[in-house]
Amino acid sequence: DTAVSQTPKYLVTQMGNDKSIKCEQNLGHDTMYWYKQDSKKFLKIMFSYNNKELIINETVPNRFSPKSPDKAHLNLHINSLELGDSAVYFCASSPLDRGGYTFGSGTRLTVV
Amino acid sequence: QQQVKQSPQSLIVQKGGISIINCAYENTAFDYFPWYQQFPGKGPALLIAIRPDVSEKKEGRFTISFNKSAKQFSLHIMDSQPGDSATYFCAAKGNDYKLSFGAGTTVTVRA
Repeated sequence: DTAVSQTPKYLVTQMGNDKSIKCEQNLGHDTMYWYKQDSKKFLKIMFSYNNKELIINETVPNRFSPKSPDKAHLNLHINSLELGDSAVYFCASSPLDRGGYTFGSGTRLTVV
Repeated sequence: QQQVKQSPQSLIVQKGGISIINCAYENTAFDYFPWYQQFPGKGPALLIAIRPDVSEKKEGRFTISFNKSAKQFSLHIMDSQPGDSATYFCAAKGNDYKLSFGAGTTVTVRA
């Protein structure tokens, strides 16, 4: 069973569209995250939720909106997609204040 | 502003050789230092981690060396194998729950 699963794996869409990426974890972790990996492989945190509460909100355009319906799920909705949004988006989870993160396999978003 | 600086950007090592990747940080509030391994098309996977109360941790062929006073830590891959070819990220976490990553090192092991 996959510990952190995200869908879809690939997403190709046109500029201006709205899209969502879904993430689910079955590890029982308290905290979930969204990271963006750019073309140079740099990983940058975007958001974090702990038990459905937003605890980290980095400087991200407000076109990006995370939603956590419960502590096992964290979705990312992106409005009005731009070319610069093209990247790989990773979901991750961890125990709140200890241990490392477990990452999903990523969603490669391509905006054309 | 990158909180963890990682070097080199890439390295090539012969099979059986030693790969060494270095990281440095400034934030003394960091108290957890993991290394992640990422293969193409996959997410980063936790490889080994250390807390600042120890100076070295070894797991199999992978060793972390930690120098608290210098605010530096490094990953040593002994007896490097072609299957170790991947991108390696150092990271650091403090009490804000946020894991800050280095820029990554692409390791290529030549057979």
